[in-house]
Amino acid sequence: GAVVSQHPSRVICKSGTSVKIECRSLDFQATTMFWYRQFPKQSLMLMATSNEGSKATYEQGVEKDKFLINHASLTLSTLTVTSAHPEDSSFYICSAAVTGGRNEQFFGPGTRLTVL
Amino acid sequence: QKEVEQDPGPLSVPEGAIVSLNCTYSNSAFQYFMWYRQYSRKGPELLMYTYSSGNKEDGRFTAQVDKSSKYISLFIRDSQPSDSATYLCAMSLNQAGTALIFGKGTTLSVSS
Repeated sequence: GAVVSQHPSRVICKSGTSVKIECRSLDFQATTMFWYRQFPKQSLMLMATSNEGSKATYEQGVEKDKFLINHASLTLSTLTVTSAHPEDSSFYICSAAVTGGRNEQFFGPGTRLTVL
Repeated sequence: QKEVEQDPGPLSVPEGAIVSLNCTYSNSAFQYFMWYRQYSRKGPELLMYTYSSGNKEDGRFTAQVDKSSKYISLFIRDSQPSDSATYLCAMSLNQAGTALIFGKGTTLSVSS
């Protein structure tokens, strides 16, 4: 149980285009999903916290107009990188917290974004 | 000072060795402590979960939390080549729905 999927696993796009990444909790409901970014040899840095049915909370320094987050249901959250630039190239990972449980987060396999 | 400090390594050990991984933290309000294992280009996988101080054992893995020293450890006994990965400590303030604060991760290599 507690499986989180992400799609796509890898995406290459041209500078200026937008990319959507999906995060799904496959066998449980997640009131809260988190989006992290991980640069090579660095730790996971929280970008935003997403609660179902409400606006996401962004961490300081993360542009909410550039990284659009939608959490439309208890099993799906999406991250859209708008007008992507090469500096947005990174490993994006989502996690989902089990509803009503302890703070145990399950992570997706990640999406590697490369912006040319 | 960063909230969570973790030596990135790399740490290289022979198969069968006991491995000790550690993190220190500065925020005494942290209550939940976790260890994740991350293989290259994969998402983190939860290994151990501990609430407050104490020890927790699961197979070859033992997690220790010393809140008085703001220090947590993960021990791996009888290490195997398949344990080669990056180990991330993480912690949070309170219950479900709170973001995790991660250490930088320690890269471990176990040679056969």
